[in-house]
Amino acid sequence: RKEVEQDPGPFNVPEGATVAFNCTYSNSASQSFFWYRQDCRKEPKLLMSVYSSGNEDGRFTAQLNRASQYISLLIRDSKLSDSATYLCVVNVRNNNDMRFGAGTRLTVKP
Amino acid sequence: EPEVTQTPSHQVTQMGQEVILRCVPISNHLYFYWYRQILGQKVEFLVSFYNNEISEKSEIFDDQFSVERPDGSNFTLKIRSTKLEDSAMYFCASSELSGSTGELFFGEGSRLTVL
Repeated sequence: RKEVEQDPGPFNVPEGATVAFNCTYSNSASQSFFWYRQDCRKEPKLLMSVYSSGNEDGRFTAQLNRASQYISLLIRDSKLSDSATYLCVVNVRNNNDMRFGAGTRLTVKP
Repeated sequence: EPEVTQTPSHQVTQMGQEVILRCVPISNHLYFYWYRQILGQKVEFLVSFYNNEISEKSEIFDDQFSVERPDGSNFTLKIRSTKLEDSAMYFCASSELSGSTGELFFGEGSRLTVL
């Protein structure tokens, strides 16, 4: 299994749709999980951290499933501005080595 | 809002030349990182730096690469003898807390093209 693996997509959805991304990680001892967003040819920016109990930030919900070693991101009521690549980031060795997944590309269409 | 700044934004070099990419992290941050992203591929971890020394490095960060914090503000990545496959966007990042607990703030990147 790759250290951090994501479905590359692309996901093409209409405005207002709900879309979910999954990410699996290989190290069962990993403790820190994040979702970043990267717009085309731009730097990654933190979207949200993922906490053990799951967390929500507006239209975005992140979940962690330790037993199955995956995290998920749910986007409700998609907006055109949500179009981007969503990067799963995991601290695979519990230190300052943060590993990125390949990203899942989302396009929201009018 | 404080930001990470990187120079140059784009550098073109000949294979075999040395390149130095510069970064100014956010001033109160203690952890510094270099990542690279080959066009169309994923963001790859190169190295992290804390307390004036490398704390972690990846398998990509071989003897051709080195990092330095020459003064209180700059954080540099040197590639000693560039290869064609070094062509990529290089991102510097910094964080106030260690990467496992704190947000990474990225610069806009330095695009390196090796001919």
